[in-house]
Amino acid sequence: QQPVQSPQAVILREGEDAVINCSSSKALYSVHWYRQKHGEAPVFLMILLKGGEQKGHDKISASFNEKKQQSSLYLTASQLSYSGTYFCGTAGTGNQFYFGTGTSLTVIP
Amino acid sequence: EPEVTQTPSHQVTQMGQEVILRCVPISNHLYFYWYRQILGQKVEFLVSFYNNEISEKSEIFDDQFSVERPDGSNFTLKIRSTKLEDSAMYFCASSIQGAGGYTFGSGTRLTVV
Repeated sequence: QQPVQSPQAVILREGEDAVINCSSSKALYSVHWYRQKHGEAPVFLMILLKGGEQKGHDKISASFNEKKQQSSLYLTASQLSYSGTYFCGTAGTGNQFYFGTGTSLTVIP
Repeated sequence: EPEVTQTPSHQVTQMGQEVILRCVPISNHLYFYWYRQILGQKVEFLVSFYNNEISEKSEIFDDQFSVERPDGSNFTLKIRSTKLEDSAMYFCASSIQGAGGYTFGSGTRLTVV
């Protein structure tokens, strides 16, 4: 049920780009992306609905390939504030909703 | 900005005791959720609640767990007889629609000793 994310962890220098992938074995209705700082609650970044949607939020964007049951989060020109654990969350046709395995992102100066 | 409020922020309880975790979702949201996160691990879905009833629950949400919306604002999670493995951060979340983005509360850290 749980979506699988890759990579598990990534370390970037400020200004570098990163891609985080999320993949599900089940059919997806929507994909959410969240960022969680240590000791804090997850914070909603964006949601993508089915149909090949892409979205952007500042220098963070995402795509959703419904056919492949995958989503990718793109972080461009990373900043120190981007550090945290990123979770995708996927919903099926009901109210089932599961978070992915998580990707730890560390941005260093 | 509207917030989801959770109380208490930290609760320590003895094994076998009952605990009630409280949440005040955003006032115009219709869907409510409980998640938990064991330290250093993934966020796990427990239950979703809509129209005054449970709409989905995970295998974690067994008979020891229950949820209630006792009035128009509070949303509670009760654990009847806590076990050591219930120690985790419990997050409440709400959304205006079922497929919408969730707003999470800041969490209640439950420690069972």
